[in-house]
Amino acid sequence: GIQVEQSPPDLILQEGANSTLRCNFSDSVNNLQWFHQNPWGQLINLFYIPSGTKQNGRLSATTVATERYSLLYISSSQTTDSGVYFCAVEVGNEKLTFGTGTRLTIIP
Amino acid sequence: DGGITQSPKYLFRKEGQNVTLSCEQNLNHDAMYWYRQDPGQGLRLIYYSQIVNDFQKGDIAEGYSVSREKKESFPLTVTSAQKNPTAFYLCASSMRSDWGNIQYFGAGTRLSVL
Repeated sequence: GIQVEQSPPDLILQEGANSTLRCNFSDSVNNLQWFHQNPWGQLINLFYIPSGTKQNGRLSATTVATERYSLLYISSSQTTDSGVYFCAVEVGNEKLTFGTGTRLTIIP
Repeated sequence: DGGITQSPKYLFRKEGQNVTLSCEQNLNHDAMYWYRQDPGQGLRLIYYSQIVNDFQKGDIAEGYSVSREKKESFPLTVTSAQKNPTAFYLCASSMRSDWGNIQYFGAGTRLSVL
């Protein structure tokens, strides 16, 4: 099956800093989503981005499908950005495969 | 409120007992999914259903069972055959559209063994 690797596994930053999270995948995909899991476990959709670039406030994402990677950018980090960020990919038409996540901690 | 409701939020299982986790959605989504998350790990797919009265095994289906009798509901039973059931269980649903298959998640159920 498809392999999904995220880096770095852990990231600790001061409030106000910028960060880049990476997701590599081993095969062509027709769906890629980024999620934020908050400290209570809730998974929040951030982006649906199988290709191209999208922006939503301080967050943006870019997927280069031909090179099999996606990047999530967080600018001017806030403590509420803390949590685990997952990318998930879909091959074919049925199910998502999740990466192992990046744990982001923002220090005030 | 539209969304996905999982209950209970916390559940305790005794040895040899079957327990059922509830997942209900009012988003009119066709597909529903169950995932398991262990501490510090990603999500692994247990079962999924693309349509009423049909479901498929995911990557870790052993020791679990599901039913899909109604579009809105996709309960998961953790059977006594699941020897290590302590985990966080997440339910999701999705609707295929021209924009893709976007999954949305419930708040989860934490299951512990007594």
